[in-house]
Amino acid sequence: DTEVTQTPKHLVMGMTNKKSLKCEQHMGHRAMYWYKQKAKKPPELMFVYSYEKLSINESVPSRFSPECPNSSLLNLHLHALQPEDSALYLCASSPGLGSQETQYFGPGTRLLVL
Amino acid sequence: AQTVTQSQPEMSVQEAETVTLSCTYDTSESNYYLFWYKQPPSRQMILVIRQEAYKQQNATENRFSVNFQKAAKSFSLKISDSQLGDTAMYFCAFMNPSNNNDMRFGAGTRLTVKP
Repeated sequence: DTEVTQTPKHLVMGMTNKKSLKCEQHMGHRAMYWYKQKAKKPPELMFVYSYEKLSINESVPSRFSPECPNSSLLNLHLHALQPEDSALYLCASSPGLGSQETQYFGPGTRLLVL
Repeated sequence: AQTVTQSQPEMSVQEAETVTLSCTYDTSESNYYLFWYKQPPSRQMILVIRQEAYKQQNATENRFSVNFQKAAKSFSLKISDSQLGDTAMYFCAFMNPSNNNDMRFGAGTRLTVKP
């Protein structure tokens, strides 16, 4: 089973709203990732968690706040977003960090900021 | 920093024919991994094939194979017996395991398989 699930599938929010994106995997993976993908562009890495600790933060604005409550769950808390933050947000997981660790992606959350 | 270049924004192929997608990369690392992912209109990123840099043998997965030229930093994907379901955006990706599995993608090649 190589399934990563993400909720919601679609989200529309105003610039003053607070919302959260959720990602879940039950493959026993210990590394999880958030990517942002703008239309007709490749995914760009935002955050990497390993064993529930933040390993990489790619200079992402503080209006994006990741959280890893346990090894199966990864959240992305959103607050005071801008219209340019509208994108597809992809979650991925891998068994761990290091060699031979393929990343498996979820279906994404399509976010629209009005 | 690693960069990945896909020089073919769009390609098309007739059903049952063979097509090759190009990818080049730039890195000073000696240990790394290369991937091809496909992203159909559903937007799900699906792993197609993976290549370890230390392996000389080219990876194959059923109708998909790669031509990995380490010295030339080239990593092309060959799709044989193309099927309509192969229509998708294809991304070449470079992963650095010594930097927390930091993965960088190329700009993508949109492949259309025509009946």
